[in-house]
Amino acid sequence: GDSVTQTEGLVTLTEGLPVMLNCTYQSTYSPFLFWYVQHLNEAPKLLLKSFTDNKRPEHQGFHATLHKSSSSFHLQKSSAQLSDSALYYCALSAQGTGSKLSFGKGAKLTVSP
Amino acid sequence: AQTIHQWPVAEIKAVGSPLSLGCTIKGKSSPNLYWYWQATGGTLQQLFYSITVGQVESVVQLNLSASRPKDDQFILSTEKLLLSHSGFYLCAWSPLGEDTQYFGPGTRLLVL
Repeated sequence: GDSVTQTEGLVTLTEGLPVMLNCTYQSTYSPFLFWYVQHLNEAPKLLLKSFTDNKRPEHQGFHATLHKSSSSFHLQKSSAQLSDSALYYCALSAQGTGSKLSFGKGAKLTVSP
Repeated sequence: AQTIHQWPVAEIKAVGSPLSLGCTIKGKSSPNLYWYWQATGGTLQQLFYSITVGQVESVVQLNLSASRPKDDQFILSTEKLLLSHSGFYLCAWSPLGEDTQYFGPGTRLLVL
């Protein structure tokens, strides 16, 4: 079945340092990969979605590249900001099913001054 | 523009009491609709999805049921709440034929 394995638990960074959250996946199909961000007491919001044409999606300074050879979609940002503190989920949708989004267990990123 | 509304915003209920949570999506016809549950400090667990009125598929039941009585409405319910039902319930939608899901504001439930 489809599954996602991502950086889990607590990730603590100092402001200004780079962010890297790992995400690897297993899927029978050619899936879409997503990163969602959830700030404290809020609902998850879409941060990034993979493209089918190998373009690199970017949003709010975050970017991720889908590497089919290594089944990965790692989330990166060159310089962490205090406002980046949140829960980050990697998710997978088997292309065309429109039915199930498989989420990783989430990583809580805390950025300190 | 499409908007998604969930009600109530929060509930405190007794064990054994019934529950009904609602979700309405406006500005989009025939969306796919989803229910998720998130335990405090936990990950997102998809519970149900629906691709059309009257049709609901279960992913994980957790002693809950879901219905889609109208194109723009999705209901989550149970006749008897358990302590383990406490958490954050999220409704999400995706445009017909697309994979990206967008979440509503959620309902916080505390079962005592």
